[in-house]
Amino acid sequence: QKEVEQDPGPLSVPEGAIVSLNCTYSNSAFQYFMWYRQYSRKGPELLMYTYSSGNKEDGRFTAQVDKSSKYISLFIRDSQPSDSATYLCAMSFPLGQAGTALIFGKGTTLSVSS
Amino acid sequence: SAVISQKPSRDICQRGTSLTIQCQVDSQVTMMFWYRQQPGQSLTLIATANQGSEATYESGFVIDKFPISRPNLTFSTLTVSNLSPEDSSIYLCSVERVAGREQFFGPGTRLTVL
Repeated sequence: QKEVEQDPGPLSVPEGAIVSLNCTYSNSAFQYFMWYRQYSRKGPELLMYTYSSGNKEDGRFTAQVDKSSKYISLFIRDSQPSDSATYLCAMSFPLGQAGTALIFGKGTTLSVSS
Repeated sequence: SAVISQKPSRDICQRGTSLTIQCQVDSQVTMMFWYRQQPGQSLTLIATANQGSEATYESGFVIDKFPISRPNLTFSTLTVSNLSPEDSSIYLCSVERVAGREQFFGPGTRLTVL
């Protein structure tokens, strides 16, 4: 199965808070784990991707993968009102010659108030 | 990344008609993908479009309903045929820069079927 579970929220936090976004999955065939940010009426924007278990940091964003628990997280430090968006987790599933499918969670809507 | 444009950005169509969506990329890519984003649902892959070959469709999507063209390495079209209100959705194209982990999305086409 290819399902990815993600709490849709909405999640509301004050400016400066630490935000934790999470996804779980069941298929061990997933290879890469990605986080996308989608502003209203825009296409998803790739934030970062990881492959192995552990942490990957990029500025205020940290992606964490725990393959043994089939659990991924995105942490946002010092959240800003500009972080208000829907965050989508995605996992890559190889399709052979047809490339790679991304299996998405439903997205978590985040609102950061100033 | 990649600069991806889609036309039209939105449209309102009558039941039984068809809409063709265009996707243009600023550089040559091997794989292009078409996704659907329905309200409250996950982004779902419709098909993979590889230049010079037939598109590969995911389970639940058929060529008669979603014909795809891929005439060159920078352009693709998706047609949504015989429209019904259930086809009201956002349709997005994406391109793969690095297999499995770097997929970039266009801004989407918002379709409303009356």
